Amino acid sequence: QVQLQQSGPGLVKPSQTLSLTCAISGDSVSNNNAAWHWIRQSPSRGLEWLGRTYYRSKWHTDYAVSVNSRISINPDTSKNQFSLQLSSVTPEDTAVYYCARDLSGGYLFDYWGQGTLVTISS
Amino acid sequence: QSVLTQPPSASGTPGQRVTISCSGSDSKIGSNYVYWYQQLPGTAPKLLIYRNNQRPSGVPDRFSGSKSGTSASLAISGLRSEDEGDYYCVTWDDSLNYWVFGGGTKLTVL
Repeated sequence: QVQLQQSGPGLVKPSQTLSLTCAISGDSVSNNNAAWHWIRQSPSRGLEWLGRTYYRSKWHTDYAVSVNSRISINPDTSKNQFSLQLSSVTPEDTAVYYCARDLSGGYLFDYWGQGTLVTISS
Repeated sequence: QSVLTQPPSASGTPGQRVTISCSGSDSKIGSNYVYWYQQLPGTAPKLLIYRNNQRPSGVPDRFSGSKSGTSASLAISGLRSEDEGDYYCVTWDDSLNYWVFGGGTKLTVL
């Protein structure tokens, strides 16, 4: 059974960097048939895909245009986890952040983390 | 404003059949698979339908999906009180080159 366990602060000050980690059990971040995503949800923006990382002989990352200049998603094979960093945050970045997996064969976002409410406030 | 259009709400009585629509464009639904998710209060979304009409193991056959042209639909038959929640469609956008979500439909079981 795959489990995704999120960790990170729930409060970040404006202009600082939001950092979250998603620890994987029951699968490997290096799985050649999987991709690892970050998605957020807010009342104003709904569900919004932020980006993904995946391994296909080498590491790849893709990011949403809306956050492309501020986002970084990185795998950590030694800890079997991946992370999200979002810089220069504003109150607009307040949301519940989720990590999720997608598996080749069409199983898009088949497992999700528990969600982390991140509030951007001074 | 979401890239995919869903009705904000839907409702039905227990045992009824309800459908939720999701419309997009050629570069989205028109040329890609559609996925449906159920989000119960206070929980993460759950994959309900993948590749337009396939059900993951464990999802009851009361849930079914279909796609035609640039629109897709989720049908729930034999409505139950535990089906109350939010439902979202998702597809790949060929123009943006990433995954896009519908705005969600809140299902109420009367």
